[in-house]
Amino acid sequence: DQQVKQNSPSLSVQEGRISILNCDYTNSMFDYFLWYKKYPAEGPTFLISISSIKDKNEDGRFTVFLNKSAKHLSLHIVPSQPGDSAVYFCAASATRSGTYKYIFGTGTRLKVLA
Amino acid sequence: GAGVSQSPSNKVTEKGKDVELRCDPISGHTALYWYRQRLGQGLEFLIYFQGNSAPDKSGLPSDRFSAERTGESVSTLTIQRTQQEDSAVYLCASSLGLARETQYFGPGTRLLVL
Repeated sequence: DQQVKQNSPSLSVQEGRISILNCDYTNSMFDYFLWYKKYPAEGPTFLISISSIKDKNEDGRFTVFLNKSAKHLSLHIVPSQPGDSAVYFCAASATRSGTYKYIFGTGTRLKVLA
Repeated sequence: GAGVSQSPSNKVTEKGKDVELRCDPISGHTALYWYRQRLGQGLEFLIYFQGNSAPDKSGLPSDRFSAERTGESVSTLTIQRTQQEDSAVYLCASSLGLARETQYFGPGTRLLVL
């Protein structure tokens, strides 16, 4: 049972435009969400997070939106740059249950075209 | 300070052999996680250590998989009688072990079972 889903395996965007990566989850106990970026042959690196008490968190060119009623979050990258080309994973955790375990999605490969 | 390191970076083994994968977490990080990423798939949680608590082994796919951690330092993931479906990148991450702490990933070990 895939509790965190990224239904788009890949996405291509023109440089300078907005990239929107989507993530859906099924477990209503999830209360903390993160996005990680992964380059080939490297481990994932943390990008941005959001708590379930918020619906938006912004950090520079990266904004994460959370829609709890739809159990959906999205990552917006504006403007997109060629260096953003990577695989993006969303992850979720049910921290109020006392677990520090994260469930990751399957990833979306973003390609930013110059 | 140094990040999470993993060794070996690559491992080729024959079906049926045992392999040991090593993870050195960031100093001071009490939490340590192992994940697996098969080709074209997402990060699959395997096991989680938190301080002196009993590890969360809920993600281990079979009894051929086991992991140990010495105190709050090195961890070893052992796969016995390897199968071809064990071929994957095995990623280790560590964190401060508090709720909502960022996980820092190592570069991974690429395992190929022939």
